[in-house]
Amino acid sequence: KAGVTQTPRYLIKTRGQQVTLSCSPISGHRSVSWYQQTPGQGLQFLFEYFSETQRNKGNFPGRFSGRQFSNSRSEMNVSTLELGDSALYLCASSLDSVVTPAVRQYFGPGTRLTVT
Amino acid sequence: AQKITQTQPGMFVQEKEAVTLDCTYDTSDQSYGLFWYKQPSSGEMIFLIYQGSYDEQNATEGRYSLNFQKARKSANLVISASQLGDSAMYFCAMREGKNNDMRFGAGTRLTVKP
Repeated sequence: KAGVTQTPRYLIKTRGQQVTLSCSPISGHRSVSWYQQTPGQGLQFLFEYFSETQRNKGNFPGRFSGRQFSNSRSEMNVSTLELGDSALYLCASSLDSVVTPAVRQYFGPGTRLTVT
Repeated sequence: AQKITQTQPGMFVQEKEAVTLDCTYDTSDQSYGLFWYKQPSSGEMIFLIYQGSYDEQNATEGRYSLNFQKARKSANLVISASQLGDSAMYFCAMREGKNNDMRFGAGTRLTVKP
């Protein structure tokens, strides 16, 4: 089975622009979560989608949004980019429909976004 | 409040020796899960091992074992017979109850010396 894929792998944007990142989960996985990783804040949860619905959301401003399509592929969008948005954005997928502590997430390679 | 604490920013270990990476956590939930992930320089998070709060036995996965001390709220990762390829960042993470967001520690950078 193919793993989680994320596109693009690297991206350079200018402050004020917007960006869309894409994540394709493992076949059969219906849950997709997004994380932001920065040197200063570490790994932080952004949001999780299941069956096209946002099921959980982290503490990020409204500039960060996401969606999920019927084939479980997910996109996240960041509008009005700021320098602090420079980060590695990781996507993770899981199979389980019921949320339990044991749910194992499979991560993609990430998209490295640089905002100049 | 910090939920996951990894107090070792960096660790060194000689090849073939064992190493323990520390992790303490904070939760009031009775049901939670603890995870360890490895992140090489490529960026991808690789799952290593899982321990459930109700599991009575310490989890083991090949060369990885988890020293789970529930009363102390610690979940230390033990890597036996270290290999050069083990050099990476290691993250401890926790998921509580019915939340699907994973909380991560700050990570420990492990360097294996030949």
